[in-house]
Amino acid sequence: SQQGEEDPQALSIQEGENATMNCSYKTSINNLQWYRQNSGRGLVHLILIRSNEREKHSGRLRVTLDTSKKSSSLLITASRAADTASYFCATETSGSRLTFGEGTQLTVNP
Amino acid sequence: DAGITQSPRHKVTETGTPVTLRCHQTENHRYMYWYRQDPGHGLRLIHYSYGVKDTDKGEVSDGYSVSRSKTEDFLLTLESATSSQTSVYFCAISESGRTTGELFFGEGSRLTVL
Repeated sequence: SQQGEEDPQALSIQEGENATMNCSYKTSINNLQWYRQNSGRGLVHLILIRSNEREKHSGRLRVTLDTSKKSSSLLITASRAADTASYFCATETSGSRLTFGEGTQLTVNP
Repeated sequence: DAGITQSPRHKVTETGTPVTLRCHQTENHRYMYWYRQDPGHGLRLIHYSYGVKDTDKGEVSDGYSVSRSKTEDFLLTLESATSSQTSVYFCAISESGRTTGELFFGEGSRLTVL
């Protein structure tokens, strides 16, 4: 069963706009991670947020975590065509390994 | 980029044949993982290893076996391939202990079982 579920499944925006993707999960977590996957390539780690953290930034990325709602969001500001990719959240619960959601396909139009 | 090499990158085989996928790392990371990626399912963990000769099952381990005789190599074997095992297989590594931490992924091996 999927622990994390991303929303929306697909998102299309114009270059320069912000992109927001959401992840919901079902059980308590140790940490939540976001990954990016370009077409035909492996996943690349973007950011990790621990269960006792509420917000983290990395460059144009901002991740929030609301453990009361069991949800996280990934915000990409000032998007670029090169940000076109699939984005996955992955959750780690106690005693288990990372569980990935199905991903959000982001398309940034020039 | 993390030094992870998967081979073969593409393979077409017939139902009932054995298949072995290899993952080789040059990072000396302790943990290695095999995932499969399918439309509508995201990535699902098949098996993982936490050291030489130490392996454990993941979410979808039926029909797969693994071996790790050296730190740098993690092999995934399909003893008798089935069409349901057509997928893209990803190897990943991590160095952390109590928590998984950041995973580094290989480029994937696309397997088609006819």
